Amino acid sequence: DVKVTQSSRYLVKRTGEKVFLECVQDMDHENMFWYRQDPGLGLRLIYFSYDVKMKEKGDIPEGYSVSREKKERFSLILESASTNQTSMYLCASRSTRSSIYEQYFGPGTRLTVT
Amino acid sequence: GESVGLHLPTLSVQEGDNSIINCAYSNSASDYFIWYKQESGKGPQFIIDIRSNMDKRQGQRVTVLLNKTVKHLSLQIAATQPGDSAVYFCAEAFSGGYNKLIFGAGTRLAVHP
Repeated sequence: DVKVTQSSRYLVKRTGEKVFLECVQDMDHENMFWYRQDPGLGLRLIYFSYDVKMKEKGDIPEGYSVSREKKERFSLILESASTNQTSMYLCASRSTRSSIYEQYFGPGTRLTVT
Repeated sequence: GESVGLHLPTLSVQEGDNSIINCAYSNSASDYFIWYKQESGKGPQFIIDIRSNMDKRQGQRVTVLLNKTVKHLSLQIAATQPGDSAVYFCAEAFSGGYNKLIFGAGTRLAVHP
């Protein structure tokens, strides 16, 4: 089974702090994604990476950056956390060897910025 | 997560009944659709997918119907069980879209004994 893990389930940070959210997948997937999930808005794509050291902006990249130094790890960085970044953050991965678009999700990190 | 369903449309069904969850998609160029299930405190899990050259696809207790004319997708769950209680998302993708999925807002399914 594909396993996508996220470093924390719950995180509380103060406004202005630099925040790192880590995601690791164990299936050698090329593509990795970061979403945020807010009530009534579904999942919105922040950034994605289709391979090591490659990254693309998603629909809501403002206030975020990412790092993909190794294939299995995709980090989301909040340079200066703000209260409007309080959300559930979901990481996902996908193999380009698959003919389907299915993405495998981690359990999520609920971030609260105070 | 726990609060995902708070502001979502909710479908309430009795255990044993069939459930139908609907989704309208936006991009007529989308050629692939997925249904995900998200239980409280967990990430979304794949249920079933369908390509745009199909109208219907069946899985175990689930059926997805695609109506491209009106850009509508539905998920049918037969003999709904308490374990089916979750938030359900449809997602669409199109070739050349960098494998991105575009998700709907979701529908919360509540199954009552």
